[in-house]
Amino acid sequence: GENVEQHPSTLSVQEGDSAVIKCTYSDSASNYFPWYKQELGKRPQLIIDIRSNVGEKKDQRIAVTLNKTAKHFSLHITETQPEDSAVYFCAALNQAGTALIFGKGTTLSVSS
Amino acid sequence: NAGVMQNPRHLVRRRGQEARLRCSPMKGHSHVYWYRQLPEEGLKFMVYLQKENIIDESGMPKERFSAEFPKEGPSILRIQQVVRGDSAAYFCASSPKGSVQETQYFGPGTRLLVL
Repeated sequence: GENVEQHPSTLSVQEGDSAVIKCTYSDSASNYFPWYKQELGKRPQLIIDIRSNVGEKKDQRIAVTLNKTAKHFSLHITETQPEDSAVYFCAALNQAGTALIFGKGTTLSVSS
Repeated sequence: NAGVMQNPRHLVRRRGQEARLRCSPMKGHSHVYWYRQLPEEGLKFMVYLQKENIIDESGMPKERFSAEFPKEGPSILRIQQVVRGDSAAYFCASSPKGSVQETQYFGPGTRLLVL
C-alpha cells in the first residue's frame, strides 16, 4: 500500500541554524503534499503544502521542495527559533484523494 | 470563524464499554476524515465521510468501529467494547470539497484512555 517515509526522526539545532526534514513516498500518483506542525498535546496545524505542478514553494522562513521523479519532498526551515520546536509531519494524498498518508514525524528541538 | 471542533477532549472508558467521539467540521465544510494517533507515532487514516455517506473506510478496523456523518449534527466515531489497545488520540479533519488537493484542517482531538 501507499507509504511515506520521513527522516530524521529527531533533529536538534541551535537557534539561527537551518533545519531540513526529508520524506519519500511510494505512490507515483500522489499530487498533494502538506506539512503539519504539532506541539505537545495540540492539534496538527498546516504550515505549508505543495502541489505536483510546482517544484518549490516558500513562505517566509519555511520552504518545501518536491522532486516527483525521485518521489521525495523536503521541508526547509531557516533561521530557526525556539518556538519552532515541535513534531513535524509530512503527508501525501493517496491516489483516490480520500486520505492523507502521514510520515512518522520528526521531533525538532531548537536550543537557544 | 470557528475551526473544527471535537468533543469530548478527554474520555476515559473501562474495557468493554462504548466510546462515542464527536466532530463538528468547519463552517462550510461537508467532508470529514478521522485519524488515529498512537503515542509518539504519526496519524493513521481511518475513514472519510461526506454527509450521509461513507466514501472510504479502508483504515477502519473491521470490528467494533463505526462512523457516521448524518444530514444534521456532528460526525460520530463509535467504538464498541473498547480494549486497552484502543487508547489513542483520535483526530478529525474537515475540508470544503473533498476532492484531490484540498487542505484538511484538524480538530483538537479526543484522547481516549481505556482502563
